[in-house]
Amino acid sequence: DGGITQSPKYLFRKEGQNVTLSCEQNLNHDAMYWYRQDPGQGLRLIYYSQIVNDFQKGDIAEGYSVSREKKESFPLTVTSAQKNPTAFYLCASSILGQGPPWRYGYTFGSGTRLTVV
Amino acid sequence: RKEVEQDPGPFNVPEGATVAFNCTYSNSASQSFFWYRQDCRKEPKLLMSVYSSGNEDGRFTAQLNRASQYISLLIRDSKLSDSATYLCVVNIHNNNDMRFGAGTRLTVKP
Repeated sequence: DGGITQSPKYLFRKEGQNVTLSCEQNLNHDAMYWYRQDPGQGLRLIYYSQIVNDFQKGDIAEGYSVSREKKESFPLTVTSAQKNPTAFYLCASSILGQGPPWRYGYTFGSGTRLTVV
Repeated sequence: RKEVEQDPGPFNVPEGATVAFNCTYSNSASQSFFWYRQDCRKEPKLLMSVYSSGNEDGRFTAQLNRASQYISLLIRDSKLSDSATYLCVVNIHNNNDMRFGAGTRLTVKP
């Protein structure tokens, strides 16, 4: 079955350490996104990518980096510059194309819970 | 003002009740609207898109009021399995850039 796979499910980061969250999709979607969810807040966009080798900053990109070397993969690195990284990280994908592709919404992965120890 | 605002709840209702949630958005140029369902510690899942004329999917009815800039979700004959957080999602810039409300928590009790 097609879907989005995020790994790991739980991740613990030490102070000053960079960690990378994996996101892979086999839906043949063009666009991929990373969101962060904190308790009591809506999802906030970190980065998004609409084509391979191109990506755009979202609202809270500071302290994060991404790459999009393949259509299927959009890994997120949480760097030591991110001062408060403890959160639930969600990767999503969507189709792009002519007409209103946004009507189809996003498909989300099952998320990664990152905790600083 | 937040771009998308929802009453956080919680809404506690008995089985079989009808419950409605509202969501307001600030950008009058918003193009498309969705309701997502999120279970505890899980990812959001698309419940339904919201069309200009309103739309229904079984026990769920979504409405859009562009003049007042709000969308609503009505759940009839609530089931225990409807217990979840319901996220209002608005596409602001017509480019796959979605804005999420913080969610409304619903608990349906026996």
